[in-house]
Amino acid sequence: DAGVIQSPRHEVTEMGQEVTLRCKPISGHNSLFWYRQTMMRGLELLIYFNNNVPIDDSGMPEDRFSAKMPNASFSTLKIQPSEPRDSAVYFCASSLSGVQRNEQFFGPGTRLTVL
Amino acid sequence: TQLLEQSPQFLSIQEGENLTVYCNSSSVFSSLQWYRQEPGEGPVLLVTVVTGGEVKKLKRLTFQFGDARKDSSLHITAAQPGDTGLYLCAGARTNAGKSTFGDGTTLTVKP
Repeated sequence: DAGVIQSPRHEVTEMGQEVTLRCKPISGHNSLFWYRQTMMRGLELLIYFNNNVPIDDSGMPEDRFSAKMPNASFSTLKIQPSEPRDSAVYFCASSLSGVQRNEQFFGPGTRLTVL
Repeated sequence: TQLLEQSPQFLSIQEGENLTVYCNSSSVFSSLQWYRQEPGEGPVLLVTVVTGGEVKKLKRLTFQFGDARKDSSLHITAAQPGDTGLYLCAGARTNAGKSTFGDGTTLTVKP
């Protein structure tokens, strides 16, 4: 079975450019989470969706960040414009809410470098 | 805000030694997960505990949930280099919604 799929795996861009990260959750899962991981701040929850609806976006750093989930099998995290401090590894995770006791399954991550 | 504190932050041991890492909070959790993350990969779920006092074993790993469901420990017996990684605990207050992650314990097991 395919796990959570993220693309691209690596992204290098210049400050001011738009960056779009993509995620395909595990089929049948109804919750999707976007995290950011850095050495300084650890794993931070940015936003999570339940049944394609954003439930909590309190972790989104600022208006430059936006996330969408147009259907149950696809989500995007967009940064516009990007800044060097956005450099981090971004993870997408999915779970079957209410059944699997918050057990989350993570993708391999996207390593973002903003120059 | 739920806060999960993990200790120690870093641990470096020799192959064959035993170790315990801790995950503590002042909040009560309905469930708690332990994950292991290797360099360049996402966290991988190891175990879920839900009942106060629960003990689960996964080969050489023993997980315990505190009686009050506020803390947990992970004990590794006879550590091996393959156990090297970042160990994260995560707690949730409901079965539907987000989890709070600790900052992790970075374990290095030297051959």
